Amino acid sequence: EVQLVESGGGLVQPGGSLRLSCAGSGFTFSSHWMTWVRQAPGRGLEWVANMNQDGSQTEYVGSVEGRFTISRDNAKRSLFLQMDGLRVEDTAVYYCAKGPGYLIDHWGQGTLVTVSS
Amino acid sequence: DIVMTQSPDSLAVSLGERATINCESSRTLLSGSNNRNYLSWYQHRPGQPPKLLISWASTRESGVPDRFSGSGSGTDFTLTISSLQAEDVAVYYCLQYHSSPVTFGGGTKVEIK
Repeated sequence: EVQLVESGGGLVQPGGSLRLSCAGSGFTFSSHWMTWVRQAPGRGLEWVANMNQDGSQTEYVGSVEGRFTISRDNAKRSLFLQMDGLRVEDTAVYYCAKGPGYLIDHWGQGTLVTVSS
Repeated sequence: DIVMTQSPDSLAVSLGERATINCESSRTLLSGSNNRNYLSWYQHRPGQPPKLLISWASTRESGVPDRFSGSGSGTDFTLTISSLQAEDVAVYYCLQYHSSPVTFGGGTKVEIK
């Protein structure tokens, strides 16, 4: 069974940093694109970033470009999202997701990030 | 970026009746190289992660009830729930994965009338 477990969410002040982690199991982690998607309170789903199998290709939504960094450690079956320069509008539940290519076929339970003073 | 426009924003349907959700893309999602539409549908229940229902516009995922079906091609797509059940109350999203950045529709909230 595919499992994706996020951690690292919490309360942070504007301008602060947070690092999210996602542990994958039940599938060959190193063979899949991995993705972060977020949902702000009362809003819809928003794709944030993704990374290809070996980490050589990364893509970001424009609003986080230059502030967020996606990375992965295939040996540890883990995905990360380093979030710097956080803004109030980054407040959201952040989901780790996997897929063949850009398609997303499994999601984690999500971790809540709250940016507030 | 490809813009995904979903309609309606919400709908209320009686148990056992049909629910229809539409999704329009600003550019074609049909690949000329493999003749496949890069469009998927997700069900998002409160307190749970989204669940993939349909990929490639019309391919139902394993374990998804056959009352869920996807149709359409190019820029216009539809998710149909043929006979609404109580457990189908959720927000439904379309997603285009044809081009980066992948983009979601705004969501359609389905409720029981």
